Amino acid sequence: NAGVTQTPKFRILKIGQSMTLQCAQDMNHNYMYWYRQDPGMGLKLIYYSVGAGITDKGEVPNGYNVSRSTTEDFPLRLELAAPSQTSVYFCASSLTSGGNNEQFFGPGTRLTVL
Amino acid sequence: AQTVTQSQPEMSVQEAETVTLSCTYDTSESDYYLFWYKQPPSRQMILVIRQEAYKQQNATENRFSVNFQKAAKSFSLKISDSQLGDAAMYFCAYSVNNNDMRFGAGTRLTVKP
Repeated sequence: NAGVTQTPKFRILKIGQSMTLQCAQDMNHNYMYWYRQDPGMGLKLIYYSVGAGITDKGEVPNGYNVSRSTTEDFPLRLELAAPSQTSVYFCASSLTSGGNNEQFFGPGTRLTVL
Repeated sequence: AQTVTQSQPEMSVQEAETVTLSCTYDTSESDYYLFWYKQPPSRQMILVIRQEAYKQQNATENRFSVNFQKAAKSFSLKISDSQLGDAAMYFCAYSVNNNDMRFGAGTRLTVKP
């Protein structure tokens, strides 16, 4: 199993550009999550999904969109990139939503908006 | 809103010694889960240990153990026999369910040979 994979690893965007961060998992997990990690801070939840076709907002959803058309994939879309979105983005998945259920993380995407 | 506080931005320990990382949290819930995650330079987040609030017994995973004080809302991580590979950022996290996990700002641990 590859676990949780993310592409790209690094990206530089200009203000106003758009892009999609890709996330895929091969563990047949129902739950998937997108986090951002700003310098010197912990992770903050952007969006999550409880299954194909179902998504919901997390703590910091503004400026982002998500979709979940398959169990495996959970892309994160930035429509109008802003410098405040410069961050490292992590995708994660878990089998269930139970609080004791381990989340498995991808390696992250470092995004810089100039 | 639940908050997680790690008051030690940086800690260092001598190889083979023991170090304790601190974490406090604020919640009105009675049932919840606490985690310690390790983030090495590779950035990959790795679960180190977890504790269920309704369990009084402190969790242990090999060299890693926690001191869970529910009344004080404290959840510290003890690393025994520290190894060079333990050097990383350590994040304390809290959740009621996986949809609301909150992380602290992290503690950078340096291990000196």
